[in-house]
Amino acid sequence: DAGVTQSPTHLIKTRGQHVTLRCSPISGHKSVSWYQQVLGQGPQFIFQYYEKEERGRGNFPDRFSARQFPNYSSELNVNALLLGDSALYLCASSFGVYTEAFFGQGTRLTVV
Amino acid sequence: QQPVQSPQAVILREGEDAVINCSSSKALYSVHWYRQKHGEAPVFLMILLKGGEQKGHDKISASFNEKKQQSSLYLTASQLSYSGTYFCGITNRGNAGNMLTFGGGTRLMVKP
Repeated sequence: DAGVTQSPTHLIKTRGQHVTLRCSPISGHKSVSWYQQVLGQGPQFIFQYYEKEERGRGNFPDRFSARQFPNYSSELNVNALLLGDSALYLCASSFGVYTEAFFGQGTRLTVV
Repeated sequence: QQPVQSPQAVILREGEDAVINCSSSKALYSVHWYRQKHGEAPVFLMILLKGGEQKGHDKISASFNEKKQQSSLYLTASQLSYSGTYFCGITNRGNAGNMLTFGGGTRLMVKP
């Protein structure tokens, strides 16, 4: 039974570049959330999508955007990368909006 | 607002018990507990909902005190595999969906 899968697992980008991170939820799950986790801290909420609609947005600049596709997979896009965007980006999958969420292994983004 | 977790760190011997607390300054709607090992994704442990519903692992228990706006995670007869950082994620009234706000984490080390 496949869990949440994210790609790529690691990524190195240069300041000012753009990045796209991908997430496939657990089969049957309709909601995907994105979190940023800086080393030594708890995850910080970025977006939640349910049935292709944005259901929540955290306190992140407009450089961050996301979308959910008809097959419930999701992309997180970050434009004009800053050094401070270096973090582990986690995708969480849940059946509904208010149910328990299961995390993928994350994408480690390093901005140089 | 970020929930406060205590203690920040704890060291146990195998077989000992531990309690990890999570306090919110706002009324809680739900509390989600996760364990994260170094370099890995957070693993879902338990969800507690306002009204008393709980879902989670058989060997882990937790409480949810609505009046005190806090939750506690009880780890009994600890095993080496319990080592890791424990995070509580909360949703408050008014949050959209499953927008989890995580605490700073409690580092647990279980020694033989």
